[in-house]
Amino acid sequence: GAGVSQTPSNKVTEKGKYVELRCDPISGHTALYWYRQSLGQGPEFLIYFQGTGAADDSGLPNDRFFAVRPEGSVSTLKIQRTERGDSAVYLCASSPRASGYILGAYNEQFFGPGTRLTVL
Amino acid sequence: AQTVTQSQPEMSVQEAETVTLSCTYDTSESNYYLFWYKQPPSRQMILVIRQEAYKQQNATENRFSVNFQKAAKSFSLKISDSQLGDTAMYFCAWAAGNKLTFGGGTRVLVKP
Repeated sequence: GAGVSQTPSNKVTEKGKYVELRCDPISGHTALYWYRQSLGQGPEFLIYFQGTGAADDSGLPNDRFFAVRPEGSVSTLKIQRTERGDSAVYLCASSPRASGYILGAYNEQFFGPGTRLTVL
Repeated sequence: AQTVTQSQPEMSVQEAETVTLSCTYDTSESNYYLFWYKQPPSRQMILVIRQEAYKQQNATENRFSVNFQKAAKSFSLKISDSQLGDTAMYFCAWAAGNKLTFGGGTRVLVKP
């Protein structure tokens, strides 16, 4: 079956521009996660959706970042007024249900290939 | 806040030999999961192995095994019989809720 897909694979933009990054989760997965991976670092959590609602957006760095998932499937990460420091790989993951701690029943997060964003 | 630390930026190993990657973490939670992920140049994170904190028995998955020391908050990964396809970045991660907290990664290079 199809895995998590992300488009575009690479995005180059100029400082100050607006960008949208898209994530298509595995069909039937209700939970969706966004992470940001800066060069030479591990991924950092941005936001998590359960269904259509953002259940935890504590990782969004500032109000230039926003994400939506209007129909509970595809999600779009939106970045306004991009800055050079936003350059990173943005990873999306999905899981059948929320990955909260359940004894012996972890819901694995399946990752997409990421979008590499370069802000010039 | 939870932190995950990988102290080895890069490791190299000869094909067919064994390499061990280190990971330490800090948490006040008593129930949590620990993971090792592999990230090849394709960028896709692949789950290698996971360990549930309440289980004392170390997890194994084919050539991959862990040494989980809960009191020491240590979680190392051993790759046995290394293969060229094991060349990748390896990330240690922690989770008690819905978000994964990752370490900074260790680059593993398997030499023929």
